[in-house]
Amino acid sequence: DAGVIQSPRHEVTEMGQEVTLRCKLISGHNSLFWYRQTMMRGLELLIYFNNNVPIDDSGMPEDRFSAKMPNASFSTLKIQPSEPRDSAVYFCASAPFSGIDTQYFGPGTRLTVL
Amino acid sequence: KNEVEQSPQNLTAQEGEFITINCSYSVGISALHWLQQHPGGGIVSLFMLSSGKKKHGRLIATINIQEKHSSLHITASHPRDSAVYICAVSAGGGADGLTFGKGTHLIIQP
Repeated sequence: DAGVIQSPRHEVTEMGQEVTLRCKLISGHNSLFWYRQTMMRGLELLIYFNNNVPIDDSGMPEDRFSAKMPNASFSTLKIQPSEPRDSAVYFCASAPFSGIDTQYFGPGTRLTVL
Repeated sequence: KNEVEQSPQNLTAQEGEFITINCSYSVGISALHWLQQHPGGGIVSLFMLSSGKKKHGRLIATINIQEKHSSLHITASHPRDSAVYICAVSAGGGADGLTFGKGTHLIIQP
Protein backbone atom coordinates (compact mmCIF):
# COMPACT_ATOMS: atom_id res chain seq x y z
CA ASP A 1 0.00 0.00 0.00
CA ALA A 2 1.24 3.53 -0.76
CA GLY A 3 0.42 4.85 2.66
CA VAL A 4 -1.44 8.07 3.37
CA ILE A 5 -1.12 10.47 0.46
CA GLN A 6 -1.32 14.23 0.81
CA SER A 7 -1.32 16.92 -1.82
CA PRO A 8 0.06 19.37 -2.45
CA ARG A 9 3.30 18.88 -0.50
CA HIS A 10 3.99 22.60 -0.51
CA GLU A 11 1.61 25.50 -1.01
CA VAL A 12 2.43 29.19 -1.07
CA THR A 13 -0.47 31.56 -1.35
CA GLU A 14 -1.42 35.13 -0.60
CA MET A 15 -3.59 36.28 2.24
CA GLY A 16 -7.26 36.11 1.37
CA GLN A 17 -6.95 33.25 -1.11
CA GLU A 18 -8.76 29.93 -0.74
CA VAL A 19 -6.56 26.93 0.03
CA THR A 20 -7.57 23.29 -0.33
CA LEU A 21 -5.49 20.48 1.12
CA ARG A 22 -6.15 16.89 0.11
CA CYS A 23 -5.68 13.54 1.79
CA LYS A 24 -6.14 9.97 0.61
CA LEU A 25 -6.51 7.39 3.36
CA ILE A 26 -4.96 3.96 3.43
CA SER A 27 -7.40 1.54 1.82
CA GLY A 28 -9.71 -0.03 4.38
CA HIS A 29 -9.05 2.51 7.13
CA ASN A 30 -12.15 3.98 8.78
CA SER A 31 -10.72 6.89 10.77
CA LEU A 32 -9.22 10.12 9.47
CA PHE A 33 -7.51 12.86 11.45
CA TRP A 34 -6.30 16.31 10.41
CA TYR A 35 -3.50 17.81 12.51
CA ARG A 36 -1.58 21.08 12.31
CA GLN A 37 2.00 21.67 13.43
CA THR A 38 3.53 25.06 14.19
CA MET A 39 6.66 26.07 16.04
CA MET A 40 4.63 27.91 18.66
CA ARG A 41 1.88 25.37 19.35
CA GLY A 42 3.41 22.08 18.26
CA LEU A 43 1.05 19.41 16.92
CA GLU A 44 -2.67 19.84 17.52
CA LEU A 45 -5.80 18.06 16.38
CA LEU A 46 -8.08 19.93 14.03
CA ILE A 47 -10.80 17.36 13.26
CA TYR A 48 -11.48 13.62 13.48
CA PHE A 49 -13.76 11.59 11.17
CA ASN A 50 -14.94 8.04 11.70
CA ASN A 51 -16.76 6.25 8.87
CA ASN A 52 -16.95 9.57 6.97
CA VAL A 53 -18.75 11.31 9.85
CA PRO A 54 -17.10 14.21 11.74
CA ILE A 55 -16.83 13.07 15.36
CA ASP A 56 -14.70 15.79 16.95
CA ASP A 57 -14.17 19.19 15.32
CA SER A 58 -13.36 21.07 18.51
CA GLY A 59 -9.88 21.85 17.23
CA MET A 60 -11.02 23.65 14.08
CA PRO A 61 -9.81 27.22 14.67
CA GLU A 62 -12.76 29.14 13.27
CA ASP A 63 -15.33 29.26 10.49
CA ARG A 64 -12.64 29.89 7.91
CA PHE A 65 -11.68 26.22 8.22
CA SER A 66 -13.85 23.40 6.89
CA ALA A 67 -13.20 19.70 6.31
CA LYS A 68 -15.11 17.09 4.37
CA MET A 69 -15.00 13.41 3.53
CA PRO A 70 -16.90 13.03 0.27
CA ASN A 71 -16.13 9.31 0.28
CA ALA A 72 -14.49 6.69 2.46
CA SER A 73 -11.01 7.18 1.05
CA PHE A 74 -10.64 10.91 0.53
CA SER A 75 -10.76 14.10 2.59
CA THR A 76 -10.26 17.80 2.01
CA LEU A 77 -9.37 20.62 4.39
CA LYS A 78 -10.29 24.04 3.11
CA ILE A 79 -9.23 27.44 4.42
CA GLN A 80 -11.18 30.42 3.09
CA PRO A 81 -9.98 33.12 3.34
CA SER A 82 -6.43 32.22 4.32
CA GLU A 83 -4.39 34.36 6.73
CA PRO A 84 -0.64 34.47 7.49
CA ARG A 85 -1.26 32.85 10.91
CA ASP A 86 -2.52 29.75 9.08
CA SER A 87 1.03 29.05 7.93
CA ALA A 88 1.92 25.61 9.27
CA VAL A 89 2.48 22.01 8.29
CA TYR A 90 -0.82 20.17 7.96
CA PHE A 91 -0.79 16.41 8.47
CA CYS A 92 -3.53 13.92 7.90
CA ALA A 93 -3.44 10.49 9.49
CA SER A 94 -5.59 7.42 9.10
CA ALA A 95 -6.28 4.50 11.40
CA PRO A 96 -7.97 1.14 10.82
CA PHE A 97 -10.88 1.71 13.21
CA SER A 98 -10.37 4.51 15.73
CA GLY A 99 -7.81 6.61 17.53
CA ILE A 100 -7.13 3.69 19.78
CA ASP A 101 -5.41 2.13 16.80
CA THR A 102 -1.99 3.00 15.49
CA GLN A 103 -2.24 6.11 13.34
CA TYR A 104 -0.44 6.34 9.99
CA PHE A 105 0.63 9.84 9.07
CA GLY A 106 0.88 11.36 5.64
CA PRO A 107 3.98 13.36 4.66
CA GLY A 108 2.31 16.66 5.41
CA THR A 109 1.53 19.82 3.44
CA ARG A 110 3.66 22.85 4.22
CA LEU A 111 1.43 25.91 3.83
CA THR A 112 2.82 29.41 3.65
CA VAL A 113 0.38 32.31 3.54
CA LEU A 114 2.04 35.59 2.60
CA LYS B 1 -8.39 18.65 28.30
CA ASN B 2 -5.39 16.43 28.83
CA GLU B 3 -2.04 18.02 29.51
CA VAL B 4 0.90 16.03 28.18
CA GLU B 5 4.33 16.85 29.53
CA GLN B 6 7.58 15.45 28.19
CA SER B 7 11.09 15.58 29.57
CA PRO B 8 13.73 16.37 28.71
CA GLN B 9 12.97 18.85 25.92
CA ASN B 10 16.45 18.39 24.46
CA LEU B 11 18.92 15.55 24.90
CA THR B 12 22.37 15.09 23.46
CA ALA B 13 24.16 11.80 24.08
CA GLN B 14 27.04 9.75 22.78
CA GLU B 15 26.58 6.74 20.54
CA GLY B 16 25.94 3.62 22.58
CA GLU B 17 24.34 5.34 25.56
CA PHE B 18 21.04 4.21 27.07
CA ILE B 19 18.38 6.86 26.47
CA THR B 20 15.21 7.52 28.49
CA ILE B 21 12.46 9.97 27.55
CA ASN B 22 9.60 10.54 29.96
CA CYS B 23 5.97 11.46 29.43
CA SER B 24 3.24 12.29 31.94
CA TYR B 25 -0.40 13.15 31.38
CA SER B 26 -3.09 14.65 33.55
CA VAL B 27 -6.30 12.77 32.72
CA GLY B 28 -7.12 9.08 32.20
CA ILE B 29 -6.58 7.81 28.68
CA SER B 30 -7.43 4.88 26.41
CA ALA B 31 -4.05 4.72 24.71
CA LEU B 32 -0.65 6.38 24.67
CA HIS B 33 1.36 6.75 21.48
CA TRP B 34 5.07 7.30 20.94
CA LEU B 35 5.89 8.94 17.62
CA GLN B 36 9.14 9.74 15.87
CA GLN B 37 9.52 12.79 13.66
CA HIS B 38 12.49 12.67 11.34
CA PRO B 39 14.55 15.75 10.45
CA GLY B 40 12.74 15.79 7.10
CA GLY B 41 9.42 16.18 8.93
CA GLY B 42 7.78 12.79 8.46
CA ILE B 43 6.00 11.27 11.47
CA VAL B 44 6.12 7.55 12.22
CA SER B 45 4.27 5.70 14.94
CA LEU B 46 6.67 3.73 17.13
CA PHE B 47 4.33 2.32 19.77
CA MET B 48 0.75 2.41 20.89
CA LEU B 49 0.14 1.05 24.37
CA SER B 50 -2.53 1.05 27.03
CA SER B 51 -0.76 -1.05 29.67
CA GLY B 52 2.52 -2.74 30.47
CA LYS B 53 5.48 -2.74 28.16
CA LYS B 54 6.27 -3.15 24.48
CA LYS B 55 9.59 -3.77 22.75
CA HIS B 56 10.63 -3.35 19.16
CA GLY B 57 14.27 -3.82 18.35
CA ARG B 58 16.27 -1.41 20.50
CA LEU B 59 13.20 0.53 21.56
CA ILE B 60 11.19 -0.18 24.69
CA ALA B 61 8.06 1.64 25.83
CA THR B 62 6.46 1.30 29.24
CA ILE B 63 3.36 2.79 30.78
CA ASN B 64 2.09 3.06 34.36
CA ILE B 65 -1.61 3.82 34.22
CA GLN B 66 -1.95 4.53 37.95
CA GLU B 67 0.86 7.08 37.88
CA LYS B 68 -0.16 8.47 34.44
CA HIS B 69 3.39 8.10 33.23
CA SER B 70 5.18 6.50 30.31
CA SER B 71 8.82 6.11 29.32
CA LEU B 72 10.53 5.45 26.01
CA HIS B 73 13.94 3.80 26.21
CA ILE B 74 16.52 3.40 23.48
CA THR B 75 19.29 0.87 24.08
CA ALA B 76 22.67 1.08 22.32
CA SER B 77 21.77 4.44 20.79
CA HIS B 78 22.99 5.26 17.28
CA PRO B 79 23.27 8.53 15.33
CA ARG B 80 20.37 7.39 13.13
CA ASP B 81 18.16 7.56 16.27
CA SER B 82 18.53 11.35 16.16
CA ALA B 83 15.01 12.72 15.79
CA VAL B 84 12.19 14.34 17.72
CA TYR B 85 10.25 11.87 19.87
CA ILE B 86 6.68 12.83 20.62
CA CYS B 87 4.35 11.41 23.23
CA ALA B 88 0.62 11.62 22.47
CA VAL B 89 -2.53 10.37 24.18
CA SER B 90 -6.06 9.55 23.08
CA ALA B 91 -8.99 9.55 25.44
CA GLY B 92 -11.23 7.20 23.46
CA GLY B 93 -15.00 7.23 23.57
CA GLY B 94 -15.18 9.49 20.52
CA ALA B 95 -12.29 11.67 21.66
CA ASP B 96 -9.85 9.64 19.66
CA GLY B 97 -7.80 12.48 18.23
CA LEU B 98 -4.34 12.74 19.74
CA THR B 99 -3.21 15.31 22.29
CA PHE B 100 0.52 15.79 21.89
CA GLY B 101 3.46 16.61 24.10
CA LYS B 102 5.93 19.18 22.82
CA GLY B 103 8.47 16.55 21.89
CA THR B 104 12.02 15.63 22.89
CA HIS B 105 14.75 16.61 20.45
CA LEU B 106 17.35 13.83 20.62
CA ILE B 107 20.82 14.08 19.11
CA ILE B 108 23.15 11.08 19.21
CA GLN B 109 26.74 12.00 18.50
CA PRO B 110 29.13 9.44 16.98
